[in-house]
Amino acid sequence: EVQLVESGGGLVQPGGSRRLSCVASGFSLSTHSMNWVRQAPGKGLEWVSYISSSSSTIYDADSVKGRFTISRDNAKNSLYLQMNSLRDEDTAVYYCARDIVGNTAMDVWGQGTTVTVSS
Amino acid sequence: QSVLTQAPSASGTPGQRVTISCSGSSSNIGSNYVYWYQQLPGTAPKLLIYKNNQRPSGVPDRFSGSKSGTSASLAISGLRSEDEADYYCTAWDDSLSGRVFGGGTKLTVL
Repeated sequence: EVQLVESGGGLVQPGGSRRLSCVASGFSLSTHSMNWVRQAPGKGLEWVSYISSSSSTIYDADSVKGRFTISRDNAKNSLYLQMNSLRDEDTAVYYCARDIVGNTAMDVWGQGTTVTVSS
Repeated sequence: QSVLTQAPSASGTPGQRVTISCSGSSSNIGSNYVYWYQQLPGTAPKLLIYKNNQRPSGVPDRFSGSKSGTSASLAISGLRSEDEADYYCTAWDDSLSGRVFGGGTKLTVL
C-alpha cells in the first residue's frame, strides 16, 4: 500500500525548534518531488515547502523562508522539515504530500502531525 | 487573505449540480494548471482534479473541472450527501515561486 506517515509533532515554545519526518512506504520516494502543506486550526490549507526528487530545487513559502528547511534522504525513503524560530502562527497540522511524477499534483498525503507553538 | 479567491460556502440538495469557483491572476491561474482537492472532516486532503480538468483514477465523473483565463471552476453533478466537505483550489504562482491555495469552500448538502 502506498503510504506516507508523518511524525515529530508536539508542543514547542515560541522561538523553539522541531524536526518533522515523513516516511514513505509502498513506493520509492526518489522518483517523486515532495511537499509540506499545513493547516492551522479551523483554517484552510497553506503550502509550506517543495523539494525536487534529487533535492536540486527547493521552494519555500514566504511565511517560513529563512526559518524552515526541507530536506530528504532517498536512501531512507524519508522527507524532513526542520522548523526553527517557531511562532504562534506556525501552530498547525503538517502534512507531507507526494507529487505525481512529472506533475505538480499532490496525489498522496500523509495523515498529518500536529505542531503546537505555545508557552 | 488567500491568493486565490473562493466563496466560503456553497450548498445544494441531493441530485443537484453545484459549481465552486476559484479566482486568481495572470501569475497563477492565468499561466499555470489548476488543481482541486476535497477534504472530508478530520481527514487529509484528496486530489480531485489535476491539470485543470483531469480526474485521477477512482474519482467519479460527477466531478469536473474547467478553467478560463484567470478563473477556474469545479462542478459536482448528481450531488450526494458524501460530497459534503471542504474544497480547495490551488495553482503554482510564478511571481511568488510557490503554490497558492484558495481559502476553501465548505459544501453543505441540504
